[in-house]
Amino acid sequence: AQKITQTQPGMFVQEKEAVTLDCTYDTSDPSYGLFWYKQPSSGEMIFLIYQGSYDQQNATEGRYSLNFQKARKSANLVISASQLGDSAMYFCAISNTGGFKTIFGAGTRLFVKA
Amino acid sequence: NAGVMQNPRHLVRRRGQEARLRCSPMKGHSHVYWYRQLPEEGLKFMVYLQKENIIDESGMPKERFSAEFPKEGPSILRIQQVVRGDSAAYFCASSPGTGPRETQYFGPGTRLLVL
Repeated sequence: AQKITQTQPGMFVQEKEAVTLDCTYDTSDPSYGLFWYKQPSSGEMIFLIYQGSYDQQNATEGRYSLNFQKARKSANLVISASQLGDSAMYFCAISNTGGFKTIFGAGTRLFVKA
Repeated sequence: NAGVMQNPRHLVRRRGQEARLRCSPMKGHSHVYWYRQLPEEGLKFMVYLQKENIIDESGMPKERFSAEFPKEGPSILRIQQVVRGDSAAYFCASSPGTGPRETQYFGPGTRLLVL
């Protein structure tokens, strides 16, 4: 069975600084995808970034980058130059080989301070 | 290109009533997924459907819950005889295909409150 662990229930970061949100996973599938989603207070789920298990390079999308360490089974999200609008819940997720059952972690609530 | 649409956004039901939640996937997407999110928790997979077929419903409660994705029209998640424990946010997602590289795009969710 697949599992996602996010050990930081809450994080604070100063505006304009970088922050790392931790995510570790467990899976026996050789092929899987790792995702990060943002959920602001309005409630919608916003896709941020994707990393495939066979991708050689870490994924980047604007201010978001994924620090993928396959041997350690970690997929940490790095947000550079934090903005007040980054305050939200962040969920790490993994898809199974079939790709349809995405397993989510419990989330990390990020607070960006002015 | 419109995103995933869900309606209603908020739904209030009394215990014992039925709740119907609708989801229209993104244009070109034939794969639909339903998730449930309890307060302060992550999303939990419920069911995966393709047009007219339920592919995996391993996360769906065995009783009172059903889902469909007809040939025409939106996907429907139906909860019969709702109880207070059904109060949650229900999210629909869609994707153009399936596989570990496919990103699921989420709708805004339906917040169900059972009184």
